[in-house]
Amino acid sequence: EIVLTQSPGTLSLSPGEGATLSCRASQSVTNNYLAWYQQKPGQAPRLLIYGASSRATGIPDRFSGSGSGTDFTLVISRLEPEDFAVYYCQQYGRPPLFGPGTKVEIK
Amino acid sequence: EVRLVESGGGLVQPGESLRLSCAASGFIFSDYAMNWVRQASGTGLEWISYIGRGGGFIQIADSVKGRFTISRDNAKNSLFLQMSSLTAEDTAVYYCGRDHPGPGDGVSDYWGHGTLVTVSS
Repeated sequence: EIVLTQSPGTLSLSPGEGATLSCRASQSVTNNYLAWYQQKPGQAPRLLIYGASSRATGIPDRFSGSGSGTDFTLVISRLEPEDFAVYYCQQYGRPPLFGPGTKVEIK
Repeated sequence: EVRLVESGGGLVQPGESLRLSCAASGFIFSDYAMNWVRQASGTGLEWISYIGRGGGFIQIADSVKGRFTISRDNAKNSLFLQMSSLTAEDTAVYYCGRDHPGPGDGVSDYWGHGTLVTVSS
């Protein structure tokens, strides 16, 4: 079974800075079925990226996903105040599986 | 507007059963597969189960296999999760999610607000 590792665990940044989040799989993700979600405290997750690089409906273009195989990246080009949250990657092969998350906090 | 509303959570004792429901609106329910995902307090997300559009294809996580059953009623735009033999480890917020159309199963593009299940004596 695939294991997903996200790094770093916590990212401390200032608004306006860029953020690079990593998601690594223990084996190749089928067809790059890799998604990214954002979750704020007390809220449900929000789908940002699917298929490794396709933005979900309504997601600003400052969010971009890339990668293939076992290494995937979510980049937030310029952090807005509302972007400080926890980010999860998910592989949606069989069975679906979430990574442990990366917290992006205000420095 | 897509809307998913979970219900049925609450406090139960270890070994008991509970049935969660998810009422869907704002889209053609029968056109979409659905997911259940849970999150224990202060921890990450755990995918629990997936059901295809017609209910004929089901996936379930090993952690709940044999105890949890997913089902749906397309006539009533409703998704269900029947949970039995509950333990403290099942304590979590349970979310239903609409499966994103396209290849691959288990990615949710819309989520409910969640319902809290607490298993404690």
